[in-house]
Amino acid sequence: AQTVTQSQPEMSVQEAETVTLSCTYDTSESNYYLFWYKQPPSRQMILVIRQEAYKQQNATENRFSVNFQKAAKSFSLKISDSQLGDTAMYFCAYAGGGSNYKLTFGKGTLLTVNP
Amino acid sequence: SAVISQKPSRDICQRGTSLTIQCQVDSQVTMMFWYRQQPGQSLTLIATANQGSEATYESGFVIDKFPISRPNLTFSTLTVSNMSPEDSSIYLCSVAGGNTGELFFGEGSRLTVL
Repeated sequence: AQTVTQSQPEMSVQEAETVTLSCTYDTSESNYYLFWYKQPPSRQMILVIRQEAYKQQNATENRFSVNFQKAAKSFSLKISDSQLGDTAMYFCAYAGGGSNYKLTFGKGTLLTVNP
Repeated sequence: SAVISQKPSRDICQRGTSLTIQCQVDSQVTMMFWYRQQPGQSLTLIATANQGSEATYESGFVIDKFPISRPNLTFSTLTVSNMSPEDSSIYLCSVAGGNTGELFFGEGSRLTVL
C-alpha cells in the first residue's frame, strides 16, 4: 500500500521569505501523480500544484514549485515570497497511475506566515 | 474545475441519530468520492460513488454506517447513521478532475456529535 509522510507538523515563515515543506512517499508503481493541496482556515481544499511521475521537470505554479526526486521518493513544496494568505494546512497526496482517482494523503503541515 | 456545494456546512447532532449530507456539482461527473477528516487528522477515503451502481467502500467503512446515494451525475448524499461522538468529523465530497488524477473538493460538512 502507498504511504505518504509529512514529517513537519507545523512550520512558520516570515512574510516575503521562502519556505520548503517536505513530503516523502512509498510506492511500487512506476506511473503515478503527486499533489500538494492547501486547506485554509475556511476549510475548502484547493489544489496547489501537481506532478506527473513520468515528467522529469519539476512543476511550477507562480510562487509555488516542487522538488521532485523520484529515486528518493521525495516531493517537497517550495513557496517563494510567502504571503499572509498562504497560511493554511498543506497536504501532500499520492494517486496511482490508474484511473481510480484514489488519493492517499499525508498528515499535513500547518504553515503560518507571520507579518 | 468543478464547483461543489455541500449541505449542511455544519451541524450539531445527538448521539444515536442520523444525518444526511448532500453534495451538488455544477457539471456531470462519473465518479464522486466521500472523505472523512477527523479533528487534527488527514483525509481518509470513505467510499467511491458511481452513478447507477452501488458505492465502493474502503476498508473500515461499511454501508450500514455510511449509506450513499448517487441518483444522477451531479448529486450524491452520504448518511452518517447512528452517530456517536467518534463520528465528529469534517465530511468532504470530491469529484475527479479529468484524467490528471486530481480531485476537486467541496467545502466540507463539519459534524459534531454530542
